[in-house]
Amino acid sequence: EAGVAQSPRYKIIEKRQSVAFWCNPISGHATLYWYQQILGQGPKLLIQFQNNGVVDDSQLPKDRFSAERLKGVDSTLKIQPAKLEDSAVYLCASSYPEPQHFGDGTRLSIL
Amino acid sequence: GENVEQHPSTLSVQEGDSAVIKCTYSDSASNYFPWYKQELGKGPQLIIDIRSNVGEKKDQRIAVTLNKTAKHFSLHITETQPEDSAVYFCATGGSNYKLTFGKGTLLTVNP
Repeated sequence: EAGVAQSPRYKIIEKRQSVAFWCNPISGHATLYWYQQILGQGPKLLIQFQNNGVVDDSQLPKDRFSAERLKGVDSTLKIQPAKLEDSAVYLCASSYPEPQHFGDGTRLSIL
Repeated sequence: GENVEQHPSTLSVQEGDSAVIKCTYSDSASNYFPWYKQELGKGPQLIIDIRSNVGEKKDQRIAVTLNKTAKHFSLHITETQPEDSAVYFCATGGSNYKLTFGKGTLLTVNP
């Protein structure tokens, strides 16, 4: 089966700019997750969707981060405006309901 | 919230030796314990998982043990090979399927 697809693979922006990441989960997976992985650390959950509803967004910095999952399939994560500390790999994962399968992530660099 | 401690942060072994990575957790409600392997530039890949009603699980050269009373679990890799070199993450999950990750262990297998 096809894995979790993410794009772009790399993104470089200047601080205060905006950026968006896209995720296509494994077909049939109802649950979708976005994680932030800072260099040298484990992934940290930002938001969890069940179909197109939010289950947990307690760790999402809502003043600058937003996410949506229209039609319960693809999802986008947006950062606006970006800060230097947002430099990280953004991972998408999906599950039905376990285990979680991860995409290869988007590496974001903020200049 | 849940706190997962992982040790050691780096581990270097000779090819053919065994490697052991240990994790402790704080939330007694955690009931799912996966281990992920992450290679450079890739997303985490599940290698083995265990649930709280099982004390040990083995899959070829990989085994995981769980002590719920002491709130710790371990990954054992026997007959290590150079291709086992990667970063390994432990994680814990509960009824909401949300995962909390440790900080990772960089395993280097020297030929």
